[in-house]
Amino acid sequence: VQLVESGGGVVPPGRSLRLSCAASGFTFRSYGLHWVRQAPGKGLEWVAFISYDGRNKNYADSIEGRFTISRDNSNNTMYLQMNSLITEDTGLYYCVRELNWGQGTRVTVSS
Amino acid sequence: EIVLTQSPATLSLSPGERATLSCRASQSVSHYLAWFQQKFGQAPRLLIYDASNRATGIPARFSGSGSGTDFTLTISSLEPEDFAIYYCQLLVNWPPGITFGQGTRLEIK
Repeated sequence: VQLVESGGGVVPPGRSLRLSCAASGFTFRSYGLHWVRQAPGKGLEWVAFISYDGRNKNYADSIEGRFTISRDNSNNTMYLQMNSLITEDTGLYYCVRELNWGQGTRVTVSS
Repeated sequence: EIVLTQSPATLSLSPGERATLSCRASQSVSHYLAWFQQKFGQAPRLLIYDASNRATGIPARFSGSGSGTDFTLTISSLEPEDFAIYYCQLLVNWPPGITFGQGTRLEIK
């Protein structure tokens, strides 16, 4: 199982970013996936979930409708569209399949 | 919503000593609990799944136990590379998500 995140960067508050998670080593279309984040010096926080077929999604309350999770089963890729970013969204974002984690992509929201 | 509470927040021990870390769930989670280790600047690493099963490549000094609401991660004899932060994790079926404990920092005394 390999999960590779990308798309992180430095953006000012209010802007958008789209993160990607490229998966390999398993049957992508058969598994639900999560995004988990970690603010600097803080613990792990679950962000969002998408079911194997993309029909079922769930979000953390802290996201408040600003983020959208999606997936493309034809390209073995999951996405996290992050809009109206705030400084509290700063952190390392991980793609997770059950007990398997990627290495993360860093998002910094700063003016 | 199930809450996982880890204790202690910080554990100060010396190499060679035994470490005992606790994770308590606010309601029964059967045996579906995992333990992860995280070192600075690295992604979490799976140690234990389903409460007591060691993940591939994890040394035998790591063991997990418990069921229901009380779980324990034990490191029988600490090696220098074991000093890190440890998290317990629960995969929630409905609504689907992941719950984490707040972590235990294992530091060198």
